[in-house]
Amino acid sequence: NAGVTQTPKFRILKIGQSMTLQCTQDMNHNYMYWYRQDPGMGLKLIYYSVGAGITDKGEVPNGYNVSRSTTEDFPLRLELAAPSQTSVYFCASSHGRDSGSPLHFGNGTRLTVT
Amino acid sequence: EDKVVQSPLSLVVHEGDTVTLNCSYEVTNFRSLLWYKQEKKAPTFLFMLTSSGIEKKSGRLSSILDKKELFSILNITATQTGDSAIYLCAVEGPYYGNKLVFGAGTILRVKS
Repeated sequence: NAGVTQTPKFRILKIGQSMTLQCTQDMNHNYMYWYRQDPGMGLKLIYYSVGAGITDKGEVPNGYNVSRSTTEDFPLRLELAAPSQTSVYFCASSHGRDSGSPLHFGNGTRLTVT
Repeated sequence: EDKVVQSPLSLVVHEGDTVTLNCSYEVTNFRSLLWYKQEKKAPTFLFMLTSSGIEKKSGRLSSILDKKELFSILNITATQTGDSAIYLCAVEGPYYGNKLVFGAGTILRVKS
């Protein structure tokens, strides 16, 4: 059982470049999330989705976009990379709000923008 | 604004010591508090607490919630080097989608 899988593990981007961080889960979870983690700052929610076709902004959505065309996949798009987007990005999933289930995290993508 | 504050920010102990990590929160319409352990990669779930005064226990780790005073503690007894990690506290409010508000974490280092 793979759980939550993120690719790539590492990436270096130049300012202004674009990229997509991939996330897929095989647990049939309805809820999926993208967090970023900066040193000493904890995890901040970027976007989340409660099911295929439904997405919504989290705490720090600027500079990012998401889509959710299937239950399994929740890619995160950076259109014009900026140094402030240097961070570690975690994708997570859960059964849903009322199930009492905690988040299951992927192993993260370390992104550097120079 | 919802807020989760963890203390201390970092801690160095020797194997065998007991440690207490703190988490205080200000969240509208609190639903649950969760503890995660993060080693090199993904955070892994430790405990979910929803009721005051009921201790959750797993081996040498235990946690309790005080909803009146708005805090939780995570205790680790007889620490081992494998307990070295970042411990994250997160609180769930009433938001659609069970979004979590995370604290900055406590970095624990256990020396042999």
